[in-house]
Amino acid sequence: DTGVSQNPRHKITKRGQNVTFRCDPISEHNRLYWYRQTLGQGPEFLTYFQNEAQLEKSRLLSDRFSAERPKGSFSTLEIQRTEQGDSAMYLCASSVMQGPPSSYEQYFGPGTRLTVT
Amino acid sequence: AQSVTQPDIHITVSEGASLELRCNYSYGATPYLFWYVQSPGQGLQLLLKYFSGDTLVQGIKGFEAEFKRSQSSFNLRKPSVHWSDAAEYFCAVARNNDMRFGAGTRLTVKP
Repeated sequence: DTGVSQNPRHKITKRGQNVTFRCDPISEHNRLYWYRQTLGQGPEFLTYFQNEAQLEKSRLLSDRFSAERPKGSFSTLEIQRTEQGDSAMYLCASSVMQGPPSSYEQYFGPGTRLTVT
Repeated sequence: AQSVTQPDIHITVSEGASLELRCNYSYGATPYLFWYVQSPGQGLQLLLKYFSGDTLVQGIKGFEAEFKRSQSSFNLRKPSVHWSDAAEYFCAVARNNDMRFGAGTRLTVKP
């Protein structure tokens, strides 16, 4: 079990550029979540997938954000036309698809820290 | 509104001393409860969880937490803190496809 992995670990970009992050969940986990975490705060939910279906999106996920999980395995999170306010740690988590409460037991990756200059 | 509160932003304890981190929640029904730990620059690691049953739950690294329904609390405890416990600790609650995290408590351990 290699755990949840995320790439890249750090990304520095200029305002207005597009960025894409990748998350590889634990292999037997069907659910995949994206969170955003800013300094001094806990993670804030962005979106989640069950297999390849995106089932829920937070109001935090503006039109510039898009997430995919095309084959139900890895997922990508793309931010278009980045803004300085997008600077944050982006965390990915995965869980099993069983009913609650097991599906709430989420395992997190190390995160991708985005800095927009 | 549903919320999770960690009243202490920062706590400092001496190595070997006991620790208690507070977590209070406001939810329509008793949610599922979690504590996570985050070391600098890292993701979150699950310490322990409460789903039902015995209100005192044991976790990894010698941590335990007690669920008190009457106080809507789920406080994290450790009898003797080690320097390696210095980190950020997050309480989380989940119910009805909604999972929320507290703002965290940063733990500093003095030698």
